[in-house]
Amino acid sequence: DIQMTQSPSSLSASVGDSVTITCQASHDINNYLNWYQHKPGEAPKLLIYDASILKAGVPSRFSGSGSGTDFSFTISSLQPEDFATYYCLQYDSLMFTFGQGTKLEIK
Amino acid sequence: EVQLVESGGDLVQPGGSLRLSCAASGFTFSSYWMNWVRQAPGKGLVWVSRISSDETTLSYADSVRGRFTISRDNAKNTVYLQMNSLRGEDTAVYFCVRESTASYFFDNWGQGTLVTVSS
Repeated sequence: DIQMTQSPSSLSASVGDSVTITCQASHDINNYLNWYQHKPGEAPKLLIYDASILKAGVPSRFSGSGSGTDFSFTISSLQPEDFATYYCLQYDSLMFTFGQGTKLEIK
Repeated sequence: EVQLVESGGDLVQPGGSLRLSCAASGFTFSSYWMNWVRQAPGKGLVWVSRISSDETTLSYADSVRGRFTISRDNAKNTVYLQMNSLRGEDTAVYFCVRESTASYFFDNWGQGTLVTVSS
């Protein structure tokens, strides 16, 4: 089975900062890599799918890039509502795998 | 409006069984692959299982394979997760999740149902 390594596990930043989270797959996943935002008590929200496609309605300060095994997710100019936990999610061989999550906290 | 409503979560003893249900509405249920995802207290999201729209393709995470069974009833717009031989590490909120038809991602989530495995 595929292994996903997401880093960092936590991140402290200020409003207005830019932050980047990475996910690395153990083998090529054909860009089937998505990014979710999750806040306590709420359902996770899809932000980016297929590595770099911004879901309709999601602010353009969110972006994704990468291919093959190495992917990154960036939030430029952090807003107060962006402080949450972020997960990558990959699809390969009929199965999905989440990254371990990155908790983004206010500095 | 797409709605996914889970039910069946409960307190169960180790070694016990439980069946979760997810009632879907607001979309053509029989056209979509469905999944279960769980989150243990204080932990991250973990994919559990997947079922094709016609129930011919089933997939499971290693941690539940052989103990959990996913199924669906397209006439009732419902997906199920039968959980047997439950362990403490199965304690989690279980989410019913719809998979997009556009690519491989989850586009709608239920609010979750809590399963607690404890004596």
